[in-house]
Amino acid sequence: SYVLTQPPSVSVAPGMTARITCGGDKFGLQTVHWYRQRPGQAPILVIYYDSDRPSGIPERVSGSKSGNTATLIINRVEAGDEADYYCHMWDTSSDHWLFGGGTKLTVL
Amino acid sequence: EVQLVETGGGLIQPGGSLRLSCAASGFVVSSKYMSWVRQAPGKGLEWVSLMYAGGGTNYADSVKGRFTISRDNSKNTIYLQMNGLRIEDTAVYYCARGSSRSGYFYYYLDVWGKGTTVTVSS
Repeated sequence: SYVLTQPPSVSVAPGMTARITCGGDKFGLQTVHWYRQRPGQAPILVIYYDSDRPSGIPERVSGSKSGNTATLIINRVEAGDEADYYCHMWDTSSDHWLFGGGTKLTVL
Repeated sequence: EVQLVETGGGLIQPGGSLRLSCAASGFVVSSKYMSWVRQAPGKGLEWVSLMYAGGGTNYADSVKGRFTISRDNSKNTIYLQMNGLRIEDTAVYYCARGSSRSGYFYYYLDVWGKGTTVTVSS
């Protein structure tokens, strides 16, 4: 079955740029979405359709996709960005939704 | 205000049944994809089930044949009937709304509830 692979953890100093990757075997025309989950809270959508931002998400949060890797980019990282981040997409081979394993972003 | 509120979680013995509810406000559930997503303690998100706007359903392999998603349009509420519960079903269960841009096939989850906790233990 299809698997989305994320690094378990990423650490970055305040003010620097965090990059969180999401790898798949064959993204094709499928699009990737990203969610942020702070401890004890429900997930919220931060990027959809690879690079679109919902209202309320700052411009320093962006997304990109190239080949079989999608990347969530957070510029000028702040303490409040510390959270778990998940990528998400539709697997057309199984007609199932998939989540990546999640990446814990630590702000040093 | 667009909102989802889950209820119905609790402590249940293995093999038991439980029904979760997800009450929506601010939009009509029958016009949207509605999904259940769960998160086991200390683990990541796992998609569980989906109800399409047209009424069709889809399930993760781990729950197929045991869980049933349904909706009551008059109450604007989504349900998850969980039968034959196993210890590994212990998780926080989130209800989430799927949305898409006009003309796009793929959906994202743009509204989430706060979740309800299901604990399966003897």
